[in-house]
Amino acid sequence: AQSVTQLDSQVPVFEEAPVELRCNYSSSVSVYLFWYVQYPNQGLQLLLKYLSGSTLVKGINGFEAEFNKSQTSFHLRKPSVHISDTAEYFCAVSDRRASASKIIFGSGTRLSIRP
Amino acid sequence: GAVVSQHPSWVICKSGTSVKIECRSLDFQATTMFWYRQFPKQSLMLMATSNEGSKATYEQGVEKDKFLINHASLTLSTLTVTSAHPEDSSFYICSASGLGLAGSTQYFGPGTRLLVL
Repeated sequence: AQSVTQLDSQVPVFEEAPVELRCNYSSSVSVYLFWYVQYPNQGLQLLLKYLSGSTLVKGINGFEAEFNKSQTSFHLRKPSVHISDTAEYFCAVSDRRASASKIIFGSGTRLSIRP
Repeated sequence: GAVVSQHPSWVICKSGTSVKIECRSLDFQATTMFWYRQFPKQSLMLMATSNEGSKATYEQGVEKDKFLINHASLTLSTLTVTSAHPEDSSFYICSASGLGLAGSTQYFGPGTRLLVL
């Protein structure tokens, strides 16, 4: 079984400041890793995913994440945030062994950008 | 590419009635669809997994007779909330995974907000 921990339920940041949203996972098998963003009253949008290869993954909207196997982490970063980045961010994992495996979500981190 | 739609986007119904929510993959064949429920300020909780042409697999604690799932084609899955009650009020989100989508990636629909009075 897999689990995902997002330690920060809320992260307030000033506009144009850098941000890191933390994600740690637990799994007895190899996993795929994802970050999704949810804007108010909307569904989820895929920001980026780690499947294999380079541990630094670049996604949309200037976000990137680094897979660290030894620390079982997949932290999300952005060097300079904008007001439009205000949203809920979910880290997620799925079992690599299955072709269409269910996704396990973390509890989410609410990113609020202050002007 | 990889667009998933849901209909309706919101619905209000009386207690005791049934509500059907549709999930469609618009530009790919969805061999597997997933149904999630999200309560306010909470994460998504998987309700069930459905594969085209077979019975859905429900997560522990989800009543299969209350939440009927049908995945009759590679582009359509439906969730029917039978005899809905106020505690069923929630945001229901579907996702789809399928042919040509690498690495178990799921694409999510925009969600359906259900309010049971």
